[in-house]
Amino acid sequence: DTAVSQTPKYLVTQMGNDKSIKCEQNLGHDTMYWYKQDSKKFLKIMFSYNNKELIINETVPNRFSPKSPDKAHLNLHINSLELGDSAVYFCASRAGQDAYGYTFGSGTRLTVV
Amino acid sequence: GNSVTQMEGPVTLSEEAFLTINCTYTATGYPSLFWYVQYPGEGLQLLLKATKADDKGSNKGFEATYRKETTSFHLEKGSVQVSDSAVYFCALNRDDKIIFGKGTRLHILP
Repeated sequence: DTAVSQTPKYLVTQMGNDKSIKCEQNLGHDTMYWYKQDSKKFLKIMFSYNNKELIINETVPNRFSPKSPDKAHLNLHINSLELGDSAVYFCASRAGQDAYGYTFGSGTRLTVV
Repeated sequence: GNSVTQMEGPVTLSEEAFLTINCTYTATGYPSLFWYVQYPGEGLQLLLKATKADDKGSNKGFEATYRKETTSFHLEKGSVQVSDSAVYFCALNRDDKIIFGKGTRLHILP
């Protein structure tokens, strides 16, 4: 069973479109995250949610809106897609305190053309 | 602020060579430290971790020791294999978020 699953795995879309990426974790973790990995492999946190509440919003354009219907799901909706949004987006979850590592999904490669 | 600096790659080694990937950090307090690995086309996997000074994390032949005095967490392996080819990320966990280094690409030649 996949612990953190993201869909779709690949997404190709035109500039100006609106798209969503879904994430689900079956680990019972309270905290979920979205990270963006750029073409140089640099990883940067975008959002974190704890038990459906927004905890971290790292100066991400407001075209990006996370939605957490329950603590097992954290979806990412992107409006008016731009070329610079092309990246790999990773969902992750974590149990408990800072001492624990995160479990990452396998990523969604978004290509905006 | 909190940050992680790791050696830039790519690092190319022959099979069975000794590996060191340097990592230093800047953080308030005492963060937990991690190494993550990303194999081609895959997501990140936790390789090892250490939660306090002098802790040694180890997994799959890799080791790293939490050195508070030098604020370092260098990754080592005594004999690398072709299957170790991947991107390795040093990271710290502080204030509810993981901060990653820029990653080091490792190529192992047969």
